[in-house]
Parts: sequence; C-alpha cells; structure tokens
Amino acid sequence: ETGVTQTPRHLVMGMTNKKSLKCEQHLGHNAMYWYKQSAKKPLELMFVYNFKEQTENNSVPSRFSPECPNSSHLFLHLHTLQPEDSALYLCASSQGTTGGEYFGPGTRLTVT
Amino acid sequence: GQQVMQIPQYQHVQEGEDFTTYCNSSTTLSNIQWYKQRPGGHPVFLIQLVKSGEVKKQKRLTFQFGEAKKNSSLHITATQTTDVGTYFCAGRKAAGNKLTFGGGTRVLVKP
Repeated sequence: ETGVTQTPRHLVMGMTNKKSLKCEQHLGHNAMYWYKQSAKKPLELMFVYNFKEQTENNSVPSRFSPECPNSSHLFLHLHTLQPEDSALYLCASSQGTTGGEYFGPGTRLTVT
Repeated sequence: GQQVMQIPQYQHVQEGEDFTTYCNSSTTLSNIQWYKQRPGGHPVFLIQLVKSGEVKKQKRLTFQFGEAKKNSSLHITATQTTDVGTYFCAGRKAAGNKLTFGGGTRVLVKP
C-alpha cells in the first residue's frame, strides 16, 4: 500500500534535537491526521487538519508542532522531546472527516 | 469524555474456530469503524457501520452495530493464521467529530 507514505520510518533523537516527520498522501483526500501509538495505550489522536486548516489539537504539548502546507502533505516538527514521547507516530488521511481513515506505515521514534 | 472499551484484550483462538470481539462506547455513536493492525504494521480500515442494528459481512468477518448505537461486535468464523493481529474499533460521537479508538483485541491463532 503506498496511498500514505511517511518518512523517516525510524528516528532516534536526543532530547535537545530538532527533527521533523513527513507525511504525504496520494489518495486525493482533504483531511489529514497525526496519531501517537504507545505500547499498552489506545491510539491517541494528536492533530486534525481539514482542507489545510487545523480543526483539532488534542491537548498536545507544544514540543510537537504540526504543519500542513497543502491537503497532500503534513509535517510534525519535534523539539526538546522527552523519553516518554518515544512511540510510533502514525499519519492518516480521509475523504472528509466522517469516513474511514487510511494510515501510513508510521515513524518509530525513540528519544534518548 | 467519550470512552471506547474493547473486550477481550487478548484472544487466543485455535485455527478453524470462531470467535467474537466486542466494542462498547460510553456515549451514543454516529458511526463506528473497525481496523486491523498486523504485527509490525499499521492500522488498516476494514469497515464503517452507520445505521442502528446494521450488519455487514466481509468474507469470514461479520460486523454488527447495536440497536442503541453504543456497541458493536466483530465475529470471525473459521479463524485462519492470516487473521492474526490487533482489531480496533473506533467510534464517532457525531458526524465530523474525531474518532475515539478502543484499546484493541489482540488475536493470536494456534495452528
């Protein structure tokens, strides 16, 4: 499946680093999402963008900063992360905000 | 806030047997979706149910939405090793609202 791509697939960063995660969808969808998946926790919605406008910020700490330049691309800028931020970060897209969501393969992030 | 609970958390199934996993919401839902995540993979959208009492089938998988639109179930018949993975339900309180995911049922199949 190549409908939603994410880079990098794996990332190890120190707590003082700044890095960015990238997501691109090739499905013509207008809504894009960032989710966090940690062990033993349900999928946690972080941000929602609909037609490039942020419509949801699920009380995410400011060390995570999203950017959506157009309906096909979504970024998650990371800075001064904590070890507990280590998780799988999943991007998803959907046509509208009522249908099924199509996930990318995720970025496995480790904060040391 | 809205909560979505799934039971069981783990399901060990003998190959060839049937099983059911359940999803319960603390609030009435507009719709419910099911996803499957294989080990090391990402969630894959399976189906969406919208109507009260709706039943949909995909080969050996049968999905049901409760009459009160607060619960759902996934029944798999004649389990195969390809059914291994975690099955998540996700509910929406109203159209356009965010999805709230359940904790998932992790299915292990014994050959």
